[in-house]
Amino acid sequence: QVQLQESGPGLVKPSGTLSLTCTVSGGSVSGHYWSWIRQPAGKGLEWIGRIYSSGTTEYNPSLKSRVTMSVDTSKNVFSLKIDSVSAADTALYYCARSPEARSGKRYFDYWGQGTLVTVSS
Amino acid sequence: SYELTQPPSVSVSPGQTATISCSGDNLGEKYACWYQQKPGQSPVVVIYEDTRRPAGIPERFSGSNSGNTATLTISETQAMDEADYYCQAWDSGTASYVFGTGTKVTVL
Repeated sequence: QVQLQESGPGLVKPSGTLSLTCTVSGGSVSGHYWSWIRQPAGKGLEWIGRIYSSGTTEYNPSLKSRVTMSVDTSKNVFSLKIDSVSAADTALYYCARSPEARSGKRYFDYWGQGTLVTVSS
Repeated sequence: SYELTQPPSVSVSPGQTATISCSGDNLGEKYACWYQQKPGQSPVVVIYEDTRRPAGIPERFSGSNSGNTATLTISETQAMDEADYYCQAWDSGTASYVFGTGTKVTVL
């Protein structure tokens, strides 16, 4: 059973950089698309972007200028960085897998439990 | 940017049918999926590729997608179905996943 676990600082200062890592267990990062999704408290889901195991990325156009994703297949992890954060970036951040690469199906079949990131001084 | 719109809330009596809509331009030309999210939990897919149910999802969950609207139907709704539901599609124009605005289903 594939499991995903987000980790990283829970508090980031305004104008700083948010950095999160998702550790994948029970499966390999290789051969799959991996996404980051966030959810402000009491609000809906927002897709941030995705990375393929080869390193190819696609980002939400609304966040593209501030987002960088990377993958380390040797450690079976992938990561998210968001620059120049503000209070609007405060949210529960999820990592998730899409089975698209293996099946062409574009949805998220495995999710992490989420990690809360608060942007505050 | 591509947008998916859902009603904020739907109320249903136990045993009755709940219908949740998801509207977007020519959504019927894309595949839609649906997630259930209970308080404090991560979303779980209940329908993918418009009509397909993942293993372990009860048959009372069904989906359809045509024109500008995708629909999630919960038949014989149970108290355990009370949750937030989100539709999602892939927008090839921007190479982006898009989520709907979300619908809170209340089982009265």
